[in-house]
Amino acid sequence: DAGVIQSPRHEVTEMGQEVTLRCKPISGHNSLFWYRQTMMRGLELLIYFNNNVPIDDSGMPEDRFSAKMPNASFSTLKIQPSEPRDSAVYFCASRVEWNEQFFGPGTRLTVL
Amino acid sequence: AQSVTQPDIHITVSEGASLELRCNYSYGATPYLFWYVQSPGQGLQLLLKYFSGDTLVQGIKGFEAEFKRSQSSFNLRKPSVHWSDAAEYFCAVALSGTYKYIFGTGTRLKVLA
Repeated sequence: DAGVIQSPRHEVTEMGQEVTLRCKPISGHNSLFWYRQTMMRGLELLIYFNNNVPIDDSGMPEDRFSAKMPNASFSTLKIQPSEPRDSAVYFCASRVEWNEQFFGPGTRLTVL
Repeated sequence: AQSVTQPDIHITVSEGASLELRCNYSYGATPYLFWYVQSPGQGLQLLLKYFSGDTLVQGIKGFEAEFKRSQSSFNLRKPSVHWSDAAEYFCAVALSGTYKYIFGTGTRLKVLA
């Protein structure tokens, strides 16, 4: 099992640019989560999908953030336009039913 | 409000010494409980989980945790720490039947040779 796959692992961009983070959940998992981790705020849940449908996006900071899950094996988190305060590590996690979440390695985003 | 507290931000132990990381939660009912470990530059890896049953749970890498309902605690233990255990440890809770995890702020473990 390859685990949760995220790409890119590192992203450096300039303020105002569009950023797209990608996630491939573990095959067979029907729930997907996007988190953001910063020193100041710790781990924050951004959005939760169940069976490809967004269930809870209350953690998405603002309209600049959007997430999609077009099929069971792929999800994206987009930031447009990006700002320096978006700099963080973004994690994707997946699980099957009500079991534990499995986390990907994360994408370290730096917005200059 | 539901919350998870890890009172120790940093802990330093010598290699071979025993370890206990504390976790307390505030919930109205018995939650699902988890411990994750995060090595530098890595994602979170599940060490162990408690859903129900035996309150002493065994996990990977020689870790165990004990659920104490009366104390609302789920402390993580290891009898003999290895240098490779240096990492950050997160306690998390979730109400049964819900999807949202509440994470603690983490405890960073340093291991002295």
